[in-house]
Amino acid sequence: ELKVEQNPLFLSMQEGKNYTIYCNYSTTSDRLYWYRQDPGKSLESLFVLLSNGAVKQEGRLMASLDTKARLSTLHITAAVHDLSATYFCAVDPAGGTSYGKLTFGQGTILTVHP
Amino acid sequence: DTEVTQTPKHLVMGMTNKKSLKCEQHMGHRAMYWYKQKAKKPPELMFVYSYEKLSINESVPSRFSPECPNSSLLNLHLHALQPEDSALYLCASSRFREVDNEQFFGPGTRLTVL
Repeated sequence: ELKVEQNPLFLSMQEGKNYTIYCNYSTTSDRLYWYRQDPGKSLESLFVLLSNGAVKQEGRLMASLDTKARLSTLHITAAVHDLSATYFCAVDPAGGTSYGKLTFGQGTILTVHP
Repeated sequence: DTEVTQTPKHLVMGMTNKKSLKCEQHMGHRAMYWYKQKAKKPPELMFVYSYEKLSINESVPSRFSPECPNSSLLNLHLHALQPEDSALYLCASSRFREVDNEQFFGPGTRLTVL
């Protein structure tokens, strides 16, 4: 059974600081997705990582994927209050009958303080 | 049209009621999904329809009955629900391609069972 673990689960940051959220998963996959969820809202797609070494950047967020280590990171640079949200990583297993079955991490609740 | 729509936004029902949730996408996606999300938890996959056929059923109780009338529409029929079924129900769709199966989420239906 695929397990996806994020850490930290809670992250309180000051504005302007940098931090990294980690996503570890337990089985072979080269398809990993990051989503953002604001309170009471749906999930917004942030990054699609589809190969070993993939790196994507959007604004103050940068995501990377190391399939050999089964690890993805979401790096936050110079945090601002607008980044406060819950961030989920999700892994799509590599083929087979489970194709399309996203397994989500527990989520990281990020709060950015002035 | 690049969005997934869901109706209703909110639903309150008694344990003896029958109701339906609706989801629609016009992105030409070939897979559609139902997820259930409890507060402060990640989404849990319930059903996957690929090419209008049910391909994954995550052992969901029979009081939840999915239906896919065509490639753009997905319904979730609800009957004899329990209070613990109260949650945010999210619909998603994807291209269902081997290379990239990014899922796009609708705004969700907030369901309360009394």
